[in-house]
Amino acid sequence: DTGVSQNPRHKITKRGQNVTFRCDPISEHNRLYWYRQTLGQGPEFLTYFQNEAQLEKSRLLSDRFSAERPKGSFSTLEIQRTEQGDSAMYLCASSLEGQGNNEKLFFGSGTQLSVL
Amino acid sequence: EDKVVQSPLSLVVHEGDTVTLNCSYEVTNFRSLLWYKQEKKAPTFLFMLTSSGIEKKSGRLSSILDKKELFSILNITATQTGDSAIYLCAVGRGKLIFGQGTELSVKP
Repeated sequence: DTGVSQNPRHKITKRGQNVTFRCDPISEHNRLYWYRQTLGQGPEFLTYFQNEAQLEKSRLLSDRFSAERPKGSFSTLEIQRTEQGDSAMYLCASSLEGQGNNEKLFFGSGTQLSVL
Repeated sequence: EDKVVQSPLSLVVHEGDTVTLNCSYEVTNFRSLLWYKQEKKAPTFLFMLTSSGIEKKSGRLSSILDKKELFSILNITATQTGDSAIYLCAVGRGKLIFGQGTELSVKP
């Protein structure tokens, strides 16, 4: 069990560029979540997958955001035409659905995005 | 709209002090309340509470839930500098709604 892994750790980009982040969950976990966290706030839910199916998306997730989990293992989060307001920490978490287990999320260290 | 409110937002104490962090919530279809500790980047799991009045304990940390009054507290006794972190409260099932966090600073 190597934990949830996210890459890159930091990303600096210019406004208008596209960025993609990757998340590798704990291997046996079937659920994967994306959250966004800004300074002084708790994480905000963006979207989640059960296996390869994207089951829910937050209203926070504009059309410029897209997430995939093509084989039910790793996931990518892409932001197109980045804006300065997208600057945040993007956290990935995973869990194993089961009796009482699906609320306990294990988080990665996040990708810190800075849009200049 | 579902919401979770934590207080205080920040707290400075000295080593050896005891602290109590508060979390109140208003959510539909309550399932569980969770506490996380966030030091650098990744929030790490502390407790999950589902039943009222049953204290969960881990070393110097303990937590309890009151489902009638819709709140939870996290206690830390004999604080150490290593307890300095942001403590996050969250409610939900899988998809969690987080509070703003309480930033705890423990001075030597």
